[in-house]
Amino acid sequence: QKEVEQDPGPLSVPEGAIVSLNCTYSNSAFQYFMWYRQYSRKGPELLMYTYSSGNKEDGRFTAQVDKSSKYISLFIRDSQPSDSATYLCAMTKSPGFQKLVFGTGTRLLVSP
Amino acid sequence: DTAVSQTPKYLVTQMGNDKSIKCEQNLGHDTMYWYKQDSKKFLKIMFSYNNKELIINETVPNRFSPKSPDKAHLNLHINSLELGDSAVYFCASSPVTGIDTQYFGPGTRLTVL
Repeated sequence: QKEVEQDPGPLSVPEGAIVSLNCTYSNSAFQYFMWYRQYSRKGPELLMYTYSSGNKEDGRFTAQVDKSSKYISLFIRDSQPSDSATYLCAMTKSPGFQKLVFGTGTRLLVSP
Repeated sequence: DTAVSQTPKYLVTQMGNDKSIKCEQNLGHDTMYWYKQDSKKFLKIMFSYNNKELIINETVPNRFSPKSPDKAHLNLHINSLELGDSAVYFCASSPVTGIDTQYFGPGTRLTVL
């Protein structure tokens, strides 16, 4: 069993929908949680970064962390076709010399 | 200005050959990484270097040898390539301290025939 689990999708939604992407993890030592977006044939780029439990909002994106359930989510409001990409969750125990552990990614398709 | 660059972008080679992938970052970061992303998009760390010193080596076969000539460069040399080495290899970099995180290069798609 992988340390971080993520539904591979694809998740298909119409433009304007609210999208919910999720990851579960098994290691309670993880403290820092990230969401990366990866377009086809490109490198991952950081979208959101949160520490410990709670919510963080940035424009149309909201990241939630529930450490008691070992569950993190990324919500995308008013989804756009340009949001079509693979979304990877990642987490680590500490910020220095980071060994990021990634989920397998969820492919999101937003149709016009 | 490219922050993290990799060459080549594509690499097609025969089994048994030796090949190298180069990575350079102009972000002034102290730490650099190599990741392997398989066909199912699973991204797994291979190595991490901090100021030219190896700090993470994740049970990678010793056919893979990273080399860091200075803190802005981290190259990956692969000996005796096997079919299972076919993947996309990503270089990344990060500062050591603070809550900043990793910035990825565009990837090198390696195909072993």
